[in-house]
Amino acid sequence: SQTIHQWPATLVQPVGSPLSLECTVEGTSNPNLYWYRQAAGRGLQLLFYSVGIGQISSEVPQNLSASRPQDRQFILSSKKLLLSDSGFYLCAWSVTTGYGYTFGSGTRLTVV
Amino acid sequence: AQSVTQLGSHVSVSEGALVLLRCNYSSSVPPYLFWYVQYPNQGLQLLLKYTSAATLVKGINGFEAEFKKSETSFHLTKPSAHMSDAAEYFCAVTKVNTDKLIFGTGTRLQVFP
Repeated sequence: SQTIHQWPATLVQPVGSPLSLECTVEGTSNPNLYWYRQAAGRGLQLLFYSVGIGQISSEVPQNLSASRPQDRQFILSSKKLLLSDSGFYLCAWSVTTGYGYTFGSGTRLTVV
Repeated sequence: AQSVTQLGSHVSVSEGALVLLRCNYSSSVPPYLFWYVQYPNQGLQLLLKYTSAATLVKGINGFEAEFKKSETSFHLTKPSAHMSDAAEYFCAVTKVNTDKLIFGTGTRLQVFP
């Protein structure tokens, strides 16, 4: 069966520090992968999506970047965190239109 | 462009009462529509989805939703609320020619004893 792993679950980082969040998928090949951010009291904002290794599309200009070094690995990064980067980050995968997404358990990032 | 609107950011019901969470969509083509549930500090879990088969879709935990093209709606219902239904619910529509989902802003459901 397919599973998605996301870590860490919580993270507190000082302003200006780097960030690396990792997401891995098991049990499927060539998934579409997504990073969403959920800020307090707001909906879900699509940050990045990837349809294959090394293929990254950014939905919004921001302080973050994403990479897909392997088929089932998706990494969200920042060189210098801002206070506004705080939020709940969710990774998700899908395989085809109409299938919907399967989400990871999320990472709560607090930038202090 | 596709979009979804969830009417009511907060809905409160008594245990055993009908749950009705509203979702209206905008789409230039027949849409794929989804309802997700999110419990505190967790990811989103798929409740149900409409993909142009039956207009009445049954999901997990006793929820169902009816696709009404004439009303551009996909409201989520459950006949009898349970305390464990307290969570945030998101409606979503697929962006045309992609599998990217566009989410509504969510509705927080509270269930009182």
